[in-house]
Amino acid sequence: AQSVTQLDSQVPVFEEAPVELRCNYSSSVSVYLFWYVQYPNQGLQLLLKYLSGSTLVKGINGFEAEFNKSQTSFHLRKPSVHISDTAEYFCAVSDRLTGGGNKLTFGTGTQLKVEL
Amino acid sequence: DTAVSQTPKYLVTQMGNDKSIKCEQNLGHDTMYWYKQDSKKFLKIMFSYNNKELIINETVPNRFSPKSPDKAHLNLHINSLELGDSAVYFCASSQVGGYETQYFGPGTRLLVL
Repeated sequence: AQSVTQLDSQVPVFEEAPVELRCNYSSSVSVYLFWYVQYPNQGLQLLLKYLSGSTLVKGINGFEAEFNKSQTSFHLRKPSVHISDTAEYFCAVSDRLTGGGNKLTFGTGTQLKVEL
Repeated sequence: DTAVSQTPKYLVTQMGNDKSIKCEQNLGHDTMYWYKQDSKKFLKIMFSYNNKELIINETVPNRFSPKSPDKAHLNLHINSLELGDSAVYFCASSQVGGYETQYFGPGTRLLVL
């Protein structure tokens, strides 16, 4: 079964500093990876996804991620964070479902806390 | 316009009770899902429905019964609630194609006392 591992449960960072949130995946077949963000007391929102093509994926709010097959990683980066980026970030891998749709398997999440 | 909505937002109830959570999406999607997020924020899929038909049931107890009256709605009924059912339940929807983005509702926070 496919899985993802988020190595850091919490990442504190000062405002305007760069940040990297780490995600490693385990898969023996083609892999489709996602990053979702969850703001406090809200649902999840897609930041970006990698399906194929360019390994550097740009998402919303200035985030980007790089798919690295040799290191089985899909780390999320932002060059300069803002206080409003404080949230929980989830990496996920997708499996296509017979019958339609896809199943997301999530990592354990990384709490990004941006401080002044 | 809310894309995926859930009611209620909060649900506090006693052990042994039966409760329902409703989900509606206005995105025209064919596939809908229920996820459970536990107290450690771990998210796990429970069910997936495509065009009102059950696609996956991830070893969820029989006390949980999803119902899809039409493509735009997927409700979750829980019988004989237990303390361990306390969690946040998220509804999501997506297009039926391969690896489409899933759009999540705001969640229903269930507390069983």
